Amino acid sequence: DVKVTQSSRYLVKRTGEKVFLECVQDMDHENMFWYRQDPGLGLRLIYFSYDVKMKEKGDIPEGYSVSREKKERFSLILESASTNQTSMYLCASSLALAGRPYGYTFGSGTRLTVV
Amino acid sequence: TQLLEQSPQFLSIQEGENLTVYCNSSSVFSSLQWYRQEPGEGPVLLVTVVTGGEVKKLKRLTFQFGDARKDSSLHITAAQPGDTGLYLCAGAGEGSGAGSYQLTFGKGTKLSVIP
Repeated sequence: DVKVTQSSRYLVKRTGEKVFLECVQDMDHENMFWYRQDPGLGLRLIYFSYDVKMKEKGDIPEGYSVSREKKERFSLILESASTNQTSMYLCASSLALAGRPYGYTFGSGTRLTVV
Repeated sequence: TQLLEQSPQFLSIQEGENLTVYCNSSSVFSSLQWYRQEPGEGPVLLVTVVTGGEVKKLKRLTFQFGDARKDSSLHITAAQPGDTGLYLCAGAGEGSGAGSYQLTFGKGTKLSVIP
Protein backbone atom coordinates (compact mmCIF):
# COMPACT_ATOMS: atom_id res chain seq x y z
CA ASP A 1 0.00 0.00 0.00
CA VAL A 2 1.43 3.38 -1.01
CA LYS A 3 2.15 5.71 1.81
CA VAL A 4 2.94 9.22 2.89
CA THR A 5 4.28 9.18 6.42
CA GLN A 6 4.45 12.23 8.64
CA SER A 7 6.85 11.90 11.53
CA SER A 8 4.52 13.06 14.31
CA ARG A 9 0.75 13.02 14.79
CA TYR A 10 0.83 15.58 17.63
CA LEU A 11 3.43 18.17 18.57
CA VAL A 12 3.52 20.86 21.24
CA LYS A 13 6.20 23.52 20.88
CA ARG A 14 7.03 26.78 22.58
CA THR A 15 6.93 30.19 20.93
CA GLY A 16 10.25 30.97 19.28
CA GLU A 17 11.37 27.37 18.87
CA LYS A 18 12.58 26.06 15.52
CA VAL A 19 10.27 23.24 14.47
CA PHE A 20 10.89 20.51 11.91
CA LEU A 21 8.03 18.56 10.35
CA GLU A 22 9.15 15.56 8.32
CA CYS A 23 7.34 13.82 5.49
CA VAL A 24 8.42 10.68 3.65
CA GLN A 25 6.73 9.02 0.65
CA ASP A 26 7.45 5.57 -0.76
CA MET A 27 5.82 6.00 -4.18
CA ASP A 28 8.69 7.64 -6.11
CA HIS A 29 6.46 10.70 -6.68
CA GLU A 30 8.03 13.80 -8.18
CA ASN A 31 5.77 16.33 -6.48
CA MET A 32 5.45 16.94 -2.77
CA PHE A 33 3.36 19.55 -0.96
CA TRP A 34 2.87 21.06 2.47
CA TYR A 35 -0.54 22.44 3.47
CA ARG A 36 -2.02 23.75 6.64
CA GLN A 37 -5.69 23.21 7.40
CA ASP A 38 -7.67 25.52 9.65
CA PRO A 39 -11.41 25.62 10.38
CA GLY A 40 -13.21 27.94 8.00
CA LEU A 41 -10.08 28.52 5.90
CA GLY A 42 -9.72 25.12 4.26
CA LEU A 43 -6.45 23.79 2.92
CA ARG A 44 -3.82 26.43 2.22
CA LEU A 45 -0.64 25.64 0.32
CA ILE A 46 2.58 26.62 2.10
CA TYR A 47 5.26 25.26 -0.24
CA PHE A 48 5.63 22.60 -2.85
CA SER A 49 8.48 20.85 -4.62
CA TYR A 50 8.44 19.31 -8.08
CA ASP A 51 11.95 17.84 -7.97
CA VAL A 52 14.84 17.26 -5.61
CA LYS A 53 16.28 20.55 -4.34
CA MET A 54 13.50 22.48 -6.12
CA LYS A 55 10.89 24.42 -4.21
CA GLU A 56 8.11 26.85 -4.99
CA LYS A 57 6.22 29.17 -2.65
CA GLY A 58 2.57 28.51 -2.18
CA ASP A 59 -0.07 30.90 -0.92
CA ILE A 60 1.21 31.37 2.64
CA PRO A 61 5.01 30.80 2.79
CA GLU A 62 5.79 33.50 5.36
CA GLY A 63 7.39 32.09 8.49
CA TYR A 64 8.13 28.75 6.85
CA SER A 65 10.91 27.17 4.83
CA VAL A 66 11.33 23.74 3.24
CA SER A 67 14.03 21.29 2.33
CA ARG A 68 14.06 18.50 -0.22
CA GLU A 69 17.47 16.83 -0.34
CA LYS A 70 16.13 13.43 -1.40
CA LYS A 71 13.20 12.59 -3.64
CA GLU A 72 11.29 10.75 -0.94
CA ARG A 73 11.62 13.32 1.84
CA PHE A 74 10.17 16.82 2.15
CA SER A 75 10.68 18.77 5.35
CA LEU A 76 8.79 21.82 6.57
CA ILE A 77 10.63 24.16 8.92
CA LEU A 78 9.07 26.77 11.15
CA GLU A 79 11.99 29.11 11.71
CA SER A 80 10.59 30.66 14.90
CA ALA A 81 7.28 29.17 15.91
CA SER A 82 4.45 31.53 16.77
CA THR A 83 0.99 30.87 18.21
CA ASN A 84 -0.67 31.70 14.88
CA GLN A 85 1.10 28.69 13.41
CA THR A 86 -0.97 26.38 15.57
CA SER A 87 -2.69 24.22 12.99
CA MET A 88 -3.07 20.85 11.30
CA TYR A 89 -0.22 20.35 8.82
CA LEU A 90 -0.72 17.98 5.92
CA CYS A 91 1.91 16.63 3.57
CA ALA A 92 0.96 15.24 0.16
CA SER A 93 2.68 13.77 -2.86
CA SER A 94 1.68 13.14 -6.45
CA LEU A 95 2.94 11.98 -9.79
CA ALA A 96 3.67 14.58 -12.44
CA LEU A 97 2.82 13.27 -15.89
CA ALA A 98 2.52 15.47 -18.96
CA GLY A 99 2.48 18.56 -16.75
CA ARG A 100 -0.78 17.63 -15.07
CA PRO A 101 -1.36 16.86 -11.39
CA TYR A 102 -2.59 13.42 -10.58
CA GLY A 103 -4.36 12.48 -7.41
CA TYR A 104 -2.66 13.55 -4.24
CA THR A 105 -1.80 11.03 -1.55
CA PHE A 106 -1.93 12.71 1.83
CA GLY A 107 -0.29 11.83 5.09
CA SER A 108 -2.33 11.56 8.28
CA GLY A 109 -1.35 15.03 9.36
CA THR A 110 0.54 16.62 12.25
CA ARG A 111 -1.47 18.63 14.72
CA LEU A 112 0.92 21.32 15.95
CA THR A 113 0.18 23.44 18.98
CA VAL A 114 2.45 26.40 19.71
CA VAL A 115 2.20 27.68 23.28
CA THR B 1 -6.61 33.36 -8.67
CA GLN B 2 -8.84 30.35 -9.15
CA LEU B 3 -11.48 29.75 -6.49
CA LEU B 4 -13.72 26.78 -5.84
CA GLU B 5 -16.90 27.37 -3.86
CA GLN B 6 -18.49 24.37 -2.20
CA SER B 7 -22.05 24.20 -0.98
CA PRO B 8 -23.49 23.52 1.41
CA GLN B 9 -20.81 24.03 4.06
CA PHE B 10 -22.58 21.73 6.49
CA LEU B 11 -25.11 18.96 5.91
CA SER B 12 -26.78 16.75 8.50
CA ILE B 13 -29.10 14.04 7.22
CA GLN B 14 -30.73 10.80 8.32
CA GLU B 15 -29.42 7.44 7.21
CA GLY B 16 -31.06 6.39 3.94
CA GLU B 17 -31.56 9.90 2.55
CA ASN B 18 -30.04 11.17 -0.69
CA LEU B 19 -27.88 14.28 -0.94
CA THR B 20 -25.97 16.38 -3.42
CA VAL B 21 -22.89 18.50 -2.80
CA TYR B 22 -21.82 21.20 -5.25
CA CYS B 23 -18.48 22.62 -6.31
CA ASN B 24 -18.54 25.78 -8.45
CA SER B 25 -16.05 28.15 -10.02
CA SER B 26 -15.83 30.89 -12.60
CA SER B 27 -12.60 29.30 -13.85
CA VAL B 28 -12.13 26.39 -16.21
CA PHE B 29 -10.29 23.37 -14.83
CA SER B 30 -8.49 20.69 -16.79
CA SER B 31 -9.62 18.11 -14.24
CA LEU B 32 -11.41 17.97 -10.94
CA GLN B 33 -10.94 15.65 -8.01
CA TRP B 34 -13.04 14.75 -5.00
CA TYR B 35 -11.58 13.75 -1.63
CA ARG B 36 -13.09 12.58 1.65
CA GLN B 37 -11.43 13.40 4.94
CA GLU B 38 -12.29 11.74 8.25
CA PRO B 39 -11.54 13.49 11.55
CA GLY B 40 -7.87 13.39 12.47
CA GLU B 41 -6.82 11.97 9.10
CA GLY B 42 -5.62 13.28 5.76
CA PRO B 43 -7.94 13.53 2.74
CA VAL B 44 -8.31 10.42 0.60
CA LEU B 45 -8.86 10.65 -3.15
CA LEU B 46 -12.26 9.35 -4.29
CA VAL B 47 -12.32 10.17 -7.99
CA THR B 48 -10.86 12.31 -10.78
CA VAL B 49 -13.03 13.63 -13.61
CA VAL B 50 -11.36 15.00 -16.71
CA THR B 51 -13.85 15.42 -19.56
CA GLY B 52 -16.65 17.99 -19.60
CA GLY B 53 -19.96 16.21 -18.92
CA GLU B 54 -18.21 13.14 -17.52
CA VAL B 55 -20.09 11.06 -14.97
CA LYS B 56 -18.37 8.55 -12.71
CA LYS B 57 -19.94 6.19 -10.21
CA LEU B 58 -18.33 4.73 -7.12
CA LYS B 59 -20.91 2.43 -5.50
CA ARG B 60 -23.52 4.83 -4.08
CA LEU B 61 -21.55 7.96 -5.03
CA THR B 62 -22.06 9.66 -8.41
CA PHE B 63 -19.69 12.39 -9.56
CA GLN B 64 -20.35 14.74 -12.46
CA PHE B 65 -18.09 17.26 -14.18
CA GLY B 66 -19.92 20.19 -15.75
CA ASP B 67 -19.98 20.54 -19.52
CA ALA B 68 -17.92 23.75 -19.33
CA ARG B 69 -15.51 22.18 -16.79
CA LYS B 70 -16.23 24.93 -14.26
CA ASP B 71 -18.30 22.95 -11.79
CA SER B 72 -18.91 19.51 -10.38
CA SER B 73 -21.37 17.69 -8.17
CA LEU B 74 -21.28 14.70 -5.86
CA HIS B 75 -24.51 12.81 -5.28
CA ILE B 76 -24.83 10.17 -2.57
CA THR B 77 -27.72 7.73 -2.69
CA ALA B 78 -29.06 6.18 0.51
CA ALA B 79 -26.44 7.76 2.76
CA GLN B 80 -24.92 5.64 5.52
CA PRO B 81 -23.14 6.66 8.75
CA GLY B 82 -19.87 5.54 7.15
CA ASP B 83 -20.26 8.38 4.60
CA THR B 84 -19.75 10.92 7.40
CA GLY B 85 -16.77 13.17 6.76
CA LEU B 86 -15.48 16.30 5.07
CA TYR B 87 -15.84 16.23 1.28
CA LEU B 88 -13.37 18.36 -0.64
CA CYS B 89 -13.28 19.19 -4.31
CA ALA B 90 -10.01 20.21 -5.96
CA GLY B 91 -9.36 21.54 -9.43
CA ALA B 92 -6.30 21.45 -11.67
CA GLY B 93 -5.67 24.58 -13.74
CA GLU B 94 -5.10 24.64 -17.46
CA GLY B 95 -1.69 26.30 -17.35
CA SER B 96 1.73 24.73 -17.76
CA GLY B 97 4.96 24.67 -15.83
CA ALA B 98 5.56 23.98 -12.17
CA GLY B 99 2.39 25.81 -11.17
CA SER B 100 0.28 23.35 -13.11
CA TYR B 101 1.07 20.67 -10.53
CA GLN B 102 -0.97 22.50 -7.91
CA LEU B 103 -4.56 21.84 -7.07
CA THR B 104 -7.01 24.50 -5.94
CA PHE B 105 -9.09 23.14 -3.05
CA GLY B 106 -12.58 24.12 -2.01
CA LYS B 107 -13.22 24.63 1.71
CA GLY B 108 -15.27 21.47 1.92
CA THR B 109 -18.71 20.20 2.87
CA LYS B 110 -18.97 18.62 6.29
CA LEU B 111 -21.46 15.75 6.10
CA SER B 112 -23.01 14.03 9.10
CA VAL B 113 -25.19 10.98 8.53
CA ILE B 114 -27.27 10.16 11.57
CA PRO B 115 -28.19 6.51 12.18
